[in-house]
Amino acid sequence: RKEVEQDPGPFNVPEGATVAFNCTYSNSASQSFFWYRQDCRKEPKLLMSVYSSGNEDGRFTAQLNRASQYISLLIRDSKLSDSATYLCVVSRAQAGTALIFGKGTTLSVSS
Amino acid sequence: ETGVTQSPTHLIKTRGQQVTLRCSSQSGHNTVSWYQQALGQGPQFIFQYYREEENGRGNFPPRFSGLQFPNYSSELNVNALELDDSALYLCASSDQGASSYNEQFFGPGTRLTVL
Repeated sequence: RKEVEQDPGPFNVPEGATVAFNCTYSNSASQSFFWYRQDCRKEPKLLMSVYSSGNEDGRFTAQLNRASQYISLLIRDSKLSDSATYLCVVSRAQAGTALIFGKGTTLSVSS
Repeated sequence: ETGVTQSPTHLIKTRGQQVTLRCSSQSGHNTVSWYQQALGQGPQFIFQYYREEENGRGNFPPRFSGLQFPNYSSELNVNALELDDSALYLCASSDQGASSYNEQFFGPGTRLTVL
């Protein structure tokens, strides 16, 4: 079993749609949680950190449930520019604060 | 402020050869991490260097080795290349203490093809 599992996708949605991505992690020692975005053939970039209290950044909302080891990302009012692969990422102090990535979920927003 | 740079951008090698990939960390960053991203997969952690010492290693064989220099730039060396080593190799730099997390900034990657 992979340490970080994500919805397999791909997600194909029209502009303006709301889309939710789900992710689970298996290592309870995980300490930090993130969503990264990766455009085709580019490097990953941090989209947002995820906190237990939940956090929002414009159209993006991230939630963390430590008890069920579950992370989510909600994108409201999707834009064409949101088309990318979204990577669920956890970090733990062991192994030198390595980032552990999920496989990624591809989102395609169409007009 | 200069971002993370990597060289070369693309590389083609044959099985059994050796390769060295290079990474210049962002100014002020003391930590470099290397990741391998196979096609259709998320990046996988290879190892991390903090102030010239290896500070963690993922599940990669010893033929994957690295170095960090006093200016915090880094090299990834892979010996005895295998076909499955074909991937995008990403370097990420950060400014962190031994146990705290700070954002890792990724370079554009080196795309390695092994024939």
